[in-house]
Amino acid sequence: GAGVSQSPSNKVTEKGKDVELRCDPISGHTALYWYRQSLGQGLEFLIYFQGNSAPDKSGLPSDRFSAERTGGSVSTLTIQRTQQEDSAVYLCASSHSGRAGGNEQFFGPGTRLTVL
Amino acid sequence: AQRVTQPEKLLSVFKGAPVELKCNYSYSGSPELFWYVQYSRQRLQLLLRHISRESIKGFTADLNKGETSFHLKKPFAQEEDSAMYYCALSRYFGNEKLTFGTGTRLTIIP
Repeated sequence: GAGVSQSPSNKVTEKGKDVELRCDPISGHTALYWYRQSLGQGLEFLIYFQGNSAPDKSGLPSDRFSAERTGGSVSTLTIQRTQQEDSAVYLCASSHSGRAGGNEQFFGPGTRLTVL
Repeated sequence: AQRVTQPEKLLSVFKGAPVELKCNYSYSGSPELFWYVQYSRQRLQLLLRHISRESIKGFTADLNKGETSFHLKKPFAQEEDSAMYYCALSRYFGNEKLTFGTGTRLTIIP
């Protein structure tokens, strides 16, 4: 079946603008994750959804970052008033839920965000 | 706090030689350990995890709780092994975030 998809694949924006990044998880996966991959920082966790709720938002770097998930499926990551340090590849992943020792996460291709 | 350390940013190995990518972790509790791989222009994908105890593409990794290590090994490197490798951990039970190491770029020299 189809894997995790993300859109857009690339986004160039001006400092101060808002951006929305979209993630479509694998059908039936109730757990969804956002990560950020940047030079020198590696892969950083941002937020985790179980269904439509977010039990772990601990990785969001500031209140300019927010995310929502609707219908237990699609998720949107919004960055307000973008800054140059927000430039990175934003990765989305999904997995089955509630399986002990079964936390294999499937990753999307990412959205490359460039803030000028 | 949980942490994953991959001490080598870059590793070059001749084709046919053995490969070992190091990974050490710190975690209070029972972790699940993974190796993820990212080939050029491809998405991040799971290579193997300690609970399955299987060999994937000739790679193996053994969880050593005493040394808190999860090193990735392959006896004979192949050119197609060139990629970025990330060690990661999460809580064993349930769904939680993955904590990644900074990654090791492996280059196989023909």
